[in-house]
Amino acid sequence: RKEVEQDPGPFNVPEGATVAFNCTYSNSASQSFFWYRQDCRKEPKLLMSVYSSGNEDGRFTAQLNRASQYISLLIRDSKLSDSATYLCVVKRISPTDKLIFGTGTRLQVFP
Amino acid sequence: DTAVSQTPKYLVTQMGNDKSIKCEQNLGHDTMYWYKQDSKKFLKIMFSYNNKELIINETVPNRFSPKSPDKAHLNLHINSLELGDSAVYFCASSQGGVQFFGPGTRLTVL
Repeated sequence: RKEVEQDPGPFNVPEGATVAFNCTYSNSASQSFFWYRQDCRKEPKLLMSVYSSGNEDGRFTAQLNRASQYISLLIRDSKLSDSATYLCVVKRISPTDKLIFGTGTRLQVFP
Repeated sequence: DTAVSQTPKYLVTQMGNDKSIKCEQNLGHDTMYWYKQDSKKFLKIMFSYNNKELIINETVPNRFSPKSPDKAHLNLHINSLELGDSAVYFCASSQGGVQFFGPGTRLTVL
């Protein structure tokens, strides 16, 4: 079982739709949580950090549930430019400080 | 003014050859990484250096040898290339948790 699991998708949604991605992690020692975005043939880039209290950045809302070891990302009013792969990432510090990446969920927004 | 840069961007080579990929960051970060992203898009850490010292060495074949001449540079040398080494290799740097990635080097072994 992978340490970080995501539905690979693809999610095909029309412009303006609301779409939600979920992610589960297995290591309860995980300390920090992030969503990264990766465009086709490009490098991953940080989209947002994820906190238990939930955090919002414009149309993007991220939520962490430590008890269920579950992370979510909600995108409202989808734009064509949101088409990308969204990577769920957890950071653990034991035995070494490193990021563990999920395999990503692919989103395709169509006109 | 690229933050994390890698060269070359593309590398096509024959099995058995030796090749190097270079990485430089101008962010002043202490920690640098090499990741491999395979054909299934799975991104996995290979090595991590903190201030020129190796701190993570995942179960990577010893044909892969990283070298950090200073904290702004982390190079990756690969000996005796195999077909399974074909992938995109990303360099990254971080300070305080968030990682910044280079544009990647697409390695194709024929």
